[in-house]
Amino acid sequence: AQTVTQSQPEMSVQEAETVTLSCTYDTSESDYYLFWYKQPPSRQMILVIRQEAYKQQNATENRFSVNFQKAAKSFSLKISDSQLGDAAMYFCAYEVIQGAQKLVFGQGTRLTINP
Amino acid sequence: DAGVIQSPRHEVTEMGQEVTLRCKPISGHDYLFWYRQTMMRGLELLIYFNNNVPIDDSGMPEDRFSAKMPNASFSTLKIQPSEPRDSAVYFCASRQGVFSADTQYFGPGTRLTVL
Repeated sequence: AQTVTQSQPEMSVQEAETVTLSCTYDTSESDYYLFWYKQPPSRQMILVIRQEAYKQQNATENRFSVNFQKAAKSFSLKISDSQLGDAAMYFCAYEVIQGAQKLVFGQGTRLTINP
Repeated sequence: DAGVIQSPRHEVTEMGQEVTLRCKPISGHDYLFWYRQTMMRGLELLIYFNNNVPIDDSGMPEDRFSAKMPNASFSTLKIQPSEPRDSAVYFCASRQGVFSADTQYFGPGTRLTVL
């Protein structure tokens, strides 16, 4: 079974600094997608960034980028120039391309931004 | 586009009562997912539909839970009878198309409290 592990229950960073959230996953599949979702206090789940496993290039979305290490099954999220609005729970998620169409989520990392 | 719509946003009920949660997916989306979020278990998939047909209900905790999708624009998740351990946030999400590359868009969630 696929599992996703986020080893950092909580993280904090100073405003304008850079922070990296860790995620590892376990799978025997070769084709899959990885996601980072953000959940602010409003509870809304918001997609931050997505990575296709067959792509070697790391995905980037403005201040958000990932470090995807397929062999190590690692998928970390880097937030540059942290802003107060980045404070939220961040969930790493995995989805296999073939077969079951469902996201498997990690337990989440609560990110606090210190002004 | 209004996004995924869920109602009610909050529900408080007493043990033994029937609870019905509602979801309207994004128009044109072929897939609909129901998730449950708790502190203990995190985010877990309960059931998902493709073209109104339930495909995988292996995450449904027990027979007290049932889900329907009578048409492409409406789905319900029913709990009967409800128990305090059902207290959680229930999310509905929808996705367009058959490929996992398509993003799942989440609704705002329904916070259920069973007393």
